[in-house]
Amino acid sequence: NAGVTQTPKFRILKIGQSMTLQCTQDMNHNYMYWYRQDPGMGLKLIYYSVGAGITDKGEVPNGYNVSRSTTEDFPLRLELAAPSQTSVYFCASSYSVGTSGSIRYNEQFFGPGTRLTVL
Amino acid sequence: GENVEQHPSTLSVQEGDSAVIKCTYSDSASNYFPWYKQELGKRPQLIIDIRSNVGEKKDQRIAVTLNKTAKHFSLHITETQPEDSAVYFCAADDSFGNEKLTFGTGTRLTIIP
Repeated sequence: NAGVTQTPKFRILKIGQSMTLQCTQDMNHNYMYWYRQDPGMGLKLIYYSVGAGITDKGEVPNGYNVSRSTTEDFPLRLELAAPSQTSVYFCASSYSVGTSGSIRYNEQFFGPGTRLTVL
Repeated sequence: GENVEQHPSTLSVQEGDSAVIKCTYSDSASNYFPWYKQELGKRPQLIIDIRSNVGEKKDQRIAVTLNKTAKHFSLHITETQPEDSAVYFCAADDSFGNEKLTFGTGTRLTIIP
């Protein structure tokens, strides 16, 4: 298993440009997440998905969009890049069972990250 | 939603001594409390987790304790080694209506040889 893979590893964008960060997992996990990590800071949740066709906003969704057309893929779209989006982006996945109010969580596996700079 | 606070933000420990990192959470319905280790330039990786039906869990030099009444949990690392130097994150699940984890702000642990 490759686990969680992300592309690209590094990217420099100009203000106003757009790009898509790719994330793929081969562990048949139902849950997928996008986090951003600013220098010296913790992980902030951007968007998450509990299964194909279902996405929801996290703590810092503004300026981003996601889609989940398959179990394996969870791309993150930046439409109009801004310097405030300079960060390291991590995708993660996990397998959790149950329904809202009674969910058994399991380990989140993280991808290697994408370092994005917006100038 | 869940709020997780983590202390201290930085911690320096002499090699061989113990290190303790503490977290508090706000949602009394939370049931899952993982700890992640992130080495410099690397991805976070799970080192230990605990569920609400257990008060303590150990894995070699690492242990986690949970006090549900007080809503806090702690990471204990004994006989610290240089390779323990990293940033450690605690997290708690957001049980009702939100299928996600809330992370603490991290503790940078430095082991002094």
